[in-house]
Amino acid sequence: DAKTTQPPSMDCAEGRAANLPCNHSTISGNEYVYWYRQIHSQGPQYIIHGLKNNETNEMASLIITEDRKSSTLILPHATLRDTAVYYCIVLTGTYKYIFGTGTRLKVLA
Amino acid sequence: DTAVSQTPKYLVTQMGNDKSIKCEQNLGHDTMYWYKQDSKKFLKIMFSYNNKELIINETVPNRFSPKSPDKAHLNLHINSLELGDSAVYFCASSQPTGETQYFGPGTRLLVL
Repeated sequence: DAKTTQPPSMDCAEGRAANLPCNHSTISGNEYVYWYRQIHSQGPQYIIHGLKNNETNEMASLIITEDRKSSTLILPHATLRDTAVYYCIVLTGTYKYIFGTGTRLKVLA
Repeated sequence: DTAVSQTPKYLVTQMGNDKSIKCEQNLGHDTMYWYKQDSKKFLKIMFSYNNKELIINETVPNRFSPKSPDKAHLNLHINSLELGDSAVYFCASSQPTGETQYFGPGTRLLVL
């Protein structure tokens, strides 16, 4: 079973920041949070991951709460090409990605 | 250069046939995976190999048999195909095991 819960869908205006929340209240101390996205039916694409600290790369920022029970993926300036299903995954000790249902983000022109 | 490639991209076949899907990665990774994404879009891991050894084997019918001839390849052979096998199959790789996985473009299998 997925260890994460995400809203099923969100809309975001083009050029605005998209903030995608994820709850992972049962996360353990050494488990990482990963974010992937799947555009249409392509293969999932890695976005970012983190353990405790906030992380930023060229694609997005990841904000993890101090208690690590939730996180937010931020796409700073969403474009139409960011329309996709976004998956938040907690990597467990068995090294398996367990995908949940994800959030379907629609970026509106 | 494609990091993780799969062939074929599309596969249409009849029930009862045997088919194979090939996966190759040029990332130098030790670990490779097979995932299945069904019509409801749930993405679920099937197998994982590390250095040609099976390390994850989820509850998958034994009609599915992965084979890893070397670290760069992980093929999926499916015997006696059934209608329910229709799905998109994704290959992925990572280095080391469990870290960031890179996915292939998928193979769309349709069983008639």
